[in-house]
Amino acid sequence: DIQMTQSPSFLSASVGDRVTINCKASQNINKYLDWYQQKHGEAPKLLIYNTNNLQTGIPSRFSGSGSGTDYTLTISSLQPEDVATYFCLQHSSRPYTFGAGTKLELK
Amino acid sequence: QVQLKETGPGLVQPTQTLSITCTVSGFSLTSYYMQWVRQTPGKGLEWMGFIRSGGSTEYNSEFKSRLSISRDTSKNQVFLKMNSLKTEDTGVYYCARERTGSWDWGQGVMVTVSS
Repeated sequence: DIQMTQSPSFLSASVGDRVTINCKASQNINKYLDWYQQKHGEAPKLLIYNTNNLQTGIPSRFSGSGSGTDYTLTISSLQPEDVATYFCLQHSSRPYTFGAGTKLELK
Repeated sequence: QVQLKETGPGLVQPTQTLSITCTVSGFSLTSYYMQWVRQTPGKGLEWMGFIRSGGSTEYNSEFKSRLSISRDTSKNQVFLKMNSLKTEDTGVYYCARERTGSWDWGQGVMVTVSS
């Protein structure tokens, strides 16, 4: 199984900050990496699919990058509504696996 | 408009069988893979398995011995059944439609395994 190591587990940042969250796969996942946002009590919401494709309706301050085993979600200017937990999902090979999550809070 | 809604029992006793239904609208089950994912306090998000547009299934080996996914295309429903439940199976269970490169998720259904 491919292990997804997500970092950091917890992140505190101020409004306007640039925020980066990382996922490292235990083997090459060929850019089959999605990023999700989950707010308390809600289903995960897709932000980015296949490394760098912005889902329809998602603000352009969210972006993704990476290749091989290393992937990054960037929020260019943090907004109060971005407070949430963020997960990565690899769908390169089964079983699909998720990162453990990054809890993002406002400083 | 695409919609997915999971319904389930809420509370299940240990050793019993869990049955969850995902009712969909706005698309045909014969055109998409349908995924099942759960989120538990102990293990976070876990991919459980899927049913292909053609009806065949694939499971995470973590659950394979006790998990079954099926569907009724005439009713636009996908079913998850998992037996021999344990308290660690407590969590939220989601169905999702797989599109090219992305998934559309249902709202999830909370399941508590307790006596």
